[in-house]
Amino acid sequence: LAKTTQPISMDSYEGQEVNITCSHNNIATNDYITWYQQFPSQGPRFIIQGYKTKVTNEVASLFIPADRKSSTLSLPRVSLSDTAVYYCLGRRYNQGGKLIFGQGTELSVKP
Amino acid sequence: KAGVTQTPRYLIKTRGQQVTLSCSPISGHRSVSWYQQTPGQGLQFLFEYFSETQRNKGNFPGRFSGRQFSNSRSEMNVSTLELGDSALYLCASQREEGTYEQYFGPGTRLTVT
Repeated sequence: LAKTTQPISMDSYEGQEVNITCSHNNIATNDYITWYQQFPSQGPRFIIQGYKTKVTNEVASLFIPADRKSSTLSLPRVSLSDTAVYYCLGRRYNQGGKLIFGQGTELSVKP
Repeated sequence: KAGVTQTPRYLIKTRGQQVTLSCSPISGHRSVSWYQQTPGQGLQFLFEYFSETQRNKGNFPGRFSGRQFSNSRSEMNVSTLELGDSALYLCASQREEGTYEQYFGPGTRLTVT
């Protein structure tokens, strides 16, 4: 996971589905990929994590292809309250297992 | 259940001083990680502890150190502060290793003048 592997920003409208992709060439093969949401002046909040294929919970879905070189967070029917910065997190295989956050994607949801 | 608490919330220090930040994880969580967040560098990993053992360390100079106590509480220390150390320092706890469902505290905002 390098810092330039997420889109810097995205715009959407209420009710739309938003997909945010994170590219991570050197993710540890036996570790989870996790996504977080952060609002201003708050710590990040866990959204979802997965190891491979597709995971869904009550707020989002996570798609991870077989090569695990990317992951896509899918937010169905976003609302204004989903305006936040979204980060992917993984463990870097070739850096001794260091935890690496993506640079973050600032999502702006408009009415 | 109480969330992750960090103290102090705000801190102003002068270059050359040292600072200690404290983190109390959620009850029952044995793993604590620390991150530095700045507008320019984003979220950067500092340390990861599990049951008092440092499991991993980020790419920060030796001025940054940390430890975890038997009650899972953790502290991080920064010595010889530099202007560039001004940042939001975030602590996160998780129940076990191997999962990154981390719960973050509100952070400590450190300003170095």
